Amino acid sequence: DAGITQSPRHKVTETGTPVTLRCHQTENHRYMYWYRQDPGHGLRLIHYSYGVKDTDKGEVSDGYSVSRSKTEDFLLTLESATSSQTSVYFCAISGTTTNEKLFFGSGTQLSVL
Amino acid sequence: GESVGLHLPTLSVQEGDNSIINCAYSNSASDYFIWYKQESGKGPQFIIDIRSNMDKRQGQRVTVLLNKTVKHLSLQIAATQPGDSAVYFCAENSDFNKFYFGSGTKLNVKP
Repeated sequence: DAGITQSPRHKVTETGTPVTLRCHQTENHRYMYWYRQDPGHGLRLIHYSYGVKDTDKGEVSDGYSVSRSKTEDFLLTLESATSSQTSVYFCAISGTTTNEKLFFGSGTQLSVL
Repeated sequence: GESVGLHLPTLSVQEGDNSIINCAYSNSASDYFIWYKQESGKGPQFIIDIRSNMDKRQGQRVTVLLNKTVKHLSLQIAATQPGDSAVYFCAENSDFNKFYFGSGTKLNVKP
């Protein structure tokens, strides 16, 4: 998966608890992304980063925050998890310029009970 | 986000036939498009891409066609094989390297 590691791979949590998902890359790529995938909705962009400490919102950013303190790590935090955030979360990376293909990680299955 | 949609949510083809998966996009400013394949339980895998200054691009058994006039993208798979069974997504880059995806088409290849 192009040097992308997502952790954890699976997580079950309770409503109202904070959750942090981690994406780690070894490609030194500039751009990093968090998507969620739900049946019937395809992949929806949550947040993305275009450099260290540079992030921007995507289509479905409410209830999520991100941080990127170094090139290789992009963290997605659910401050207070809700059942509607049960989903499969994918991290993706892209190169150093615009219009380069995305490479995806293997995903994190998150269940909020 | 921008609208990227697919006409057919499920496509069934006979092994050996050609497959065509379609995608409509709404932003005429989009300048880069990608097709991805996703198998069950895995992350999306890159298939082929095309830039807006091109109408057609060919890969191994796959061809992407771009019609900017009607904002339409298609993926053609030649001699479809059982291993091609998966969900296929198109994606567009329309906003400073933000990629938006369609809801996907499931391709079933019948032996």
